[in-house]
Amino acid sequence: DSGVTQTPKHLITATGQRVTLRCSPRSGDLSVYWYQQSLDQGLQFLIQYYNGEERAKGNILERFSAQQFPDLHSELNLSSLELGDSALYFCASSLLQRADTGELFFGEGSRLTVL
Amino acid sequence: LAKTTQPISMDSYEGQEVNITCSHNNIATNDYITWYQQFPSQGPRFIIQGYKTKVTNEVASLFIPADRKSSTLSLPRVSLSDTAVYYCLVGDGARDDKIIFGKGTRLHILP
Repeated sequence: DSGVTQTPKHLITATGQRVTLRCSPRSGDLSVYWYQQSLDQGLQFLIQYYNGEERAKGNILERFSAQQFPDLHSELNLSSLELGDSALYFCASSLLQRADTGELFFGEGSRLTVL
Repeated sequence: LAKTTQPISMDSYEGQEVNITCSHNNIATNDYITWYQQFPSQGPRFIIQGYKTKVTNEVASLFIPADRKSSTLSLPRVSLSDTAVYYCLVGDGARDDKIIFGKGTRLHILP
């Protein structure tokens, strides 16, 4: 158990809909990262927050948005869903702003299926 | 962020030592080298991290030559449960906070 909690674990929805994925980082961790992993694909970095502020942005679509709240949990909002958005979405947390000298702790992921 | 190159896949047998090499020719002075392991439908798990020479923990060893342009993850006496994807990451968070995972190496352990 990494200490990172993601909900929901599974989500099935239709094209055009909007969903929200939630992540609670490990206690004390200030950084939250979001990744997307499609079938047999690598992990695509989406976005990182540190202590409530956006820190780094990857190839996140304009239809996607995220935020980190004062209690440090984070939400990833996916709207106007398309079939290609079906993927595993992982959240990771780390203590430091810089994760390169530490480690990322990953949640179990949220599996999104768009029909 | 330094680009990394790893073999796409590797096969080995139970009980063998497995070495996975990662090339990072453009590694910068402040870059650390980190390896993660990912099982199907699970999030990656940190294995080991190093800056130079050799690092060893209870799971693996990491060998980094003096020029730091490559690194080798060594898994001693692998078992079937070591079948997973292994990712090599190189980066300096002070310069670029995007923690980027490449395609990794798919390691398949055979009985």
